[in-house]
Amino acid sequence: SQQGEEDPQALSIQEGENATMNCSYKTSINNLQWYRQNSGRGLVHLILIRSNEREKHSGRLRVTLDTSKKSSSLLITASRAADTASYFCATDPNTGGFKTIFGAGTRLFVKA
Amino acid sequence: SQTIHQWPATLVQPVGSPLSLECTVEGTSNPNLYWYRQAAGRGLQLLFYSVGIGQISSEVPQNLSASRPQDRQFILSSKKLLLSDSGFYLCAWRPTSGGEQFFGPGTRLTVL
Repeated sequence: SQQGEEDPQALSIQEGENATMNCSYKTSINNLQWYRQNSGRGLVHLILIRSNEREKHSGRLRVTLDTSKKSSSLLITASRAADTASYFCATDPNTGGFKTIFGAGTRLFVKA
Repeated sequence: SQTIHQWPATLVQPVGSPLSLECTVEGTSNPNLYWYRQAAGRGLQLLFYSVGIGQISSEVPQNLSASRPQDRQFILSSKKLLLSDSGFYLCAWRPTSGGEQFFGPGTRLTVL
């Protein structure tokens, strides 16, 4: 079963608005990562937050992590049409393995 | 800097034909290597991963196999393709220390 589950599955907003995507996972983790994928392309890493961190910023991105609720959120502020893409959360379980578990993704559409 | 290559970019193959997709990484040594498949509009399904030459771990029993003949080369193969093998195949690497993954551009495979 999927470790990460994103919510919502799809999101449509106007340019300039903020976009919030949520991710829930099931097992204890070492870290949680967010990736972006433009249509038909490979994934690009956006930000990594470790299990002992609660919040992290990178430019217009803000990620929070609540390990007690096993959830994370990605906030994109002042969205642009170029932010249109699919966004995936991924977790590294702390079971000592080499796998990263990806969720099904949120498709974000930013209207100009 | 590190670079990951995948080829071909697109492939159309008849049912029952063989498959060979190649992935190479430059600029790093002893990476962990991964093959994923992505159905249209869906998340990533981990197919195989490798932590060293000749070391392959299979995640999903299926019609595919993987090999790592060299440190920075990862090959995905099939002897006889099925219709259900159609999809977007992504190769990725990450350092043995863990963290983010770096993805190739992907191969769009259509089996007819």
